[in-house]
Amino acid sequence: DIVMTQSPDSLALSLGERATINCTSSQSVLYSSNNKNYLAWYQQKPGQPPILLIYWASTRESGLPDRFSGSGSGTDFTLTISSLQAEDVAVYYCQQYYSTPYTFGQGTKLEIK
Amino acid sequence: EVQLVESGGGLVQPGGSLRLSCAASGFTFSSYWMHWVRQAPGKGLVWVSHINSDESKIDYADSVKGRFTVSRDNAKNTLYLQMNSLRAEDTAVYYCARRSGPAFYYNYYCDLWGRGTLVTVSS
Repeated sequence: DIVMTQSPDSLALSLGERATINCTSSQSVLYSSNNKNYLAWYQQKPGQPPILLIYWASTRESGLPDRFSGSGSGTDFTLTISSLQAEDVAVYYCQQYYSTPYTFGQGTKLEIK
Repeated sequence: EVQLVESGGGLVQPGGSLRLSCAASGFTFSSYWMHWVRQAPGKGLVWVSHINSDESKIDYADSVKGRFTVSRDNAKNTLYLQMNSLRAEDTAVYYCARRSGPAFYYNYYCDLWGRGTLVTVSS
């Protein structure tokens, strides 16, 4: 199984600050035949289901504010929120869909300082 | 409205069975792979199973293999998860999710999630 590890486990920042969440996979999730990274990011607010933010490591889901961006390739990925807003308080998960079982990172809890 | 609505959760004793349902609406259910993902109270997301549009491709997490069975009824726009031999560690909110992308692709991300149904396994 591919193990996904996120860092940090939690993050407390002030409004307007930049948030950076890292995700590392135990093996590459880059599929060489199409040069796509099989990596997604989800946001989950308390009591709500996850919402897709980013797929193919860097493609923003339709309607997502452009302060959210994804980057990285192979085994190392980053979710960045350029200017933290109050509504961004949530737990963020990365997930690989390169191979089953489609494993998630343990989650990063983002709070306002 | 495009949505997924899970049902069938509840309290069940260890060793018991439960069948979850996921009703889809607002999109052509028969064209999509579907997934089940669970989340134990206060814990992270764990992938459980997926099924393709005609039930010819099904995979399970090792933790549920041999105990859980995923199926679908495209005429009723409904996904199912039959859970047998339930254990305390199966206690979780179970989400169904729609997998995006063309049906002939094996691996793709999920773009739509239901609100989940809580399964509690306890005596």
